[in-house]
Amino acid sequence: AQTVTQSQPEMSVQEAETVTLSCTYDTSESDYYLFWYKQPPSRQMILVIRQEAYKQQNATENRFSVNFQKAAKSFSLKISDSQLGDAAMYFCAYRTLASKLTFGTGTRLQVTL
Amino acid sequence: SAVISQKPSRDICQRGTSLTIQCQVDSQVTMMFWYRQQPGQSLTLIATANQGSEATYESGFVIDKFPISRPNLTFSTLTVSNMSPEDSSIYLCSVVGDRTDTQYFGPGTRLTVL
Repeated sequence: AQTVTQSQPEMSVQEAETVTLSCTYDTSESDYYLFWYKQPPSRQMILVIRQEAYKQQNATENRFSVNFQKAAKSFSLKISDSQLGDAAMYFCAYRTLASKLTFGTGTRLQVTL
Repeated sequence: SAVISQKPSRDICQRGTSLTIQCQVDSQVTMMFWYRQQPGQSLTLIATANQGSEATYESGFVIDKFPISRPNLTFSTLTVSNMSPEDSSIYLCSVVGDRTDTQYFGPGTRLTVL
């Protein structure tokens, strides 16, 4: 069974600084998709970024980028120029087209002035 | 991406009663899901809502407790039956959009059972 592990229950970053959230996963599949979702206190789950496993190039969305290491089964999220609005729970998730979305346990990100 | 709405956004209910949560999507989607998120926890899949047939439930969830309807490709309901305080959670509807590898989520329903 696929598992997703987020080893950092909480992280803190100063405004305008950079922070990296870690995620590892376990799978025997070669074709799959990885996601980072953000859940602010409003509880809305917002898609931050997605990565196809067959793509070697790391995905980037504005201030958000990933470091995808397929051999190491690692999928970290880097947030640059952190803003107060980035404070939220961040969930790493995995799925194949045939499987259900599997979530990690989440990392709570605090942004300080 | 799909635009998903849920009703109600929150409710406080007495134990032993039932609550029906509605999920409306702005476009036709094949796959719809219902999740539960207990306080401070990650998301747990309750069931996949299938259009025109019974929902497919995950281990630990049963139809008598969480009946689901999916009358068409844009709408689904989840009922939480015979509620107890342990059912206090956020319930989220989710769909697979036009990019079939990506799931999008509704705003959630915060349920408190007293």
